[in-house]
Amino acid sequence: GDSVTQTEGQVALSEEDFLTIHCNYSASGYPALFWYVQYPGEGPQFLFRASRDKEKGSSRGFEATYDKGTTSFHLRKASVQESDSAVYYCALGMSNYNVLYFGSGTKLTVEP
Amino acid sequence: EAAVTQSPRNKVAVTGGKVTLSCNQTNNHNNMYWYRQDTGHGLRLIHYSYGAGSTEKGDIPDGYKASRPSQENFSLILELATPSQTSVYFCASGDRFSGNTLYFGEGSRLIVV
Repeated sequence: GDSVTQTEGQVALSEEDFLTIHCNYSASGYPALFWYVQYPGEGPQFLFRASRDKEKGSSRGFEATYDKGTTSFHLRKASVQESDSAVYYCALGMSNYNVLYFGSGTKLTVEP
Repeated sequence: EAAVTQSPRNKVAVTGGKVTLSCNQTNNHNNMYWYRQDTGHGLRLIHYSYGAGSTEKGDIPDGYKASRPSQENFSLILELATPSQTSVYFCASGDRFSGNTLYFGEGSRLIVV
């Protein structure tokens, strides 16, 4: 079935470090890809999405590029801040995007 | 502002008891979803709905029922709760008009003892 794999369960960085969280997907068709962020005690929040090959999504300094060739949608940020500490989820949606399938999440901790 | 509210926010239930988690959305979205969140598994889809009167099974529906009596309300029902259902449950709403951006509630923490 359709699925998303996030290889890093936890990432620890210092402020101003460069961030990469890896996301690879497996889908029978042409999915839309999403990143969500979840802060402690809250529900996940939409960060951005991309719907076609080579499309870049971005928000709040985070970005990811849809790569159909490598089936990837890696999250990157050039300079992280302590306030970026959260859990990040990659997700894919098929058909009319009526259902989203989420990865296992990556907990980012940024030390001041 | 999109709003999805869940109740109760915290619940302790006994094994074999019945639990109902409720969700209300004021977004006028057609679709609503129930996910559970567990460490190492992320968010897994339990049930979802395309509109009032409809429910669909997600990836892990066993032990759960759902009910969508109106556009605004979507309930998750555990008829016979088990300790393995201890988790945090999230309700969400969305539809194609929002690009299926899902709006999540703040979660319901359930402990089954």
